Amino acid sequence: EPEVTQTPSHQVTQMGQEVILRCVPISNHLYFYWYRQILGQKVEFLVSFYNNEISEKSEIFDDQFSVERPDGSNFTLKIRSTKLEDSAMYFCASRGDALSYNEQFFGPGTRLTVL
Amino acid sequence: SQQGEEDPQALSIQEGENATMNCSYKTSINNLQWYRQNSGRGLVHLILIRSNEREKHSGRLRVTLDTSKKSSSLLITASRAADTASYFCATVETGANNLFFGTGTRLTVIP
Repeated sequence: EPEVTQTPSHQVTQMGQEVILRCVPISNHLYFYWYRQILGQKVEFLVSFYNNEISEKSEIFDDQFSVERPDGSNFTLKIRSTKLEDSAMYFCASRGDALSYNEQFFGPGTRLTVL
Repeated sequence: SQQGEEDPQALSIQEGENATMNCSYKTSINNLQWYRQNSGRGLVHLILIRSNEREKHSGRLRVTLDTSKKSSSLLITASRAADTASYFCATVETGANNLFFGTGTRLTVIP
């Protein structure tokens, strides 16, 4: 069964460093998302991406964040200069089509720890 | 913005009992979805109910949706120890396509 994959599973970085979190969405999907979950809190939407551009973003997704689909398979989230409060689980998700009735498939997440 | 609230925050039951979790939301939605998350792991989609549906079943899961009260419930029947996890509702607002998650219910099923 196709699935969303994410790498690495755990990333530890120093404050101020840049990190890139990688996701491989399901191959025929068209809509891509990043969410984050700070420990003990709810899952929060960061950004959605369609047709090679951002379609929606939340207030959390400020200038320190960027997303890219560099090739036909990867979808990345870059945090330019990490802060302590960026420590969280980051989930990638993908969806097949424009029908919002359809589910988003989530990856297993990347745990980011900023020291 | 959409804010989902769930209750109870935590629920502890004996194996074999039923577990009911509730979710409330604030705005007009396209659909509502329930997800499960094992501790420190990813999100697993359980069931989706559209705004024009009132009830849906999937195996031991039963979901109801009351759009007039802006609430939903998830019932897990004949619970098992393996059902121990956090359960989140998530809504898709009308006209949007991203998910707004609730605060979650931590379910513990005691063998």
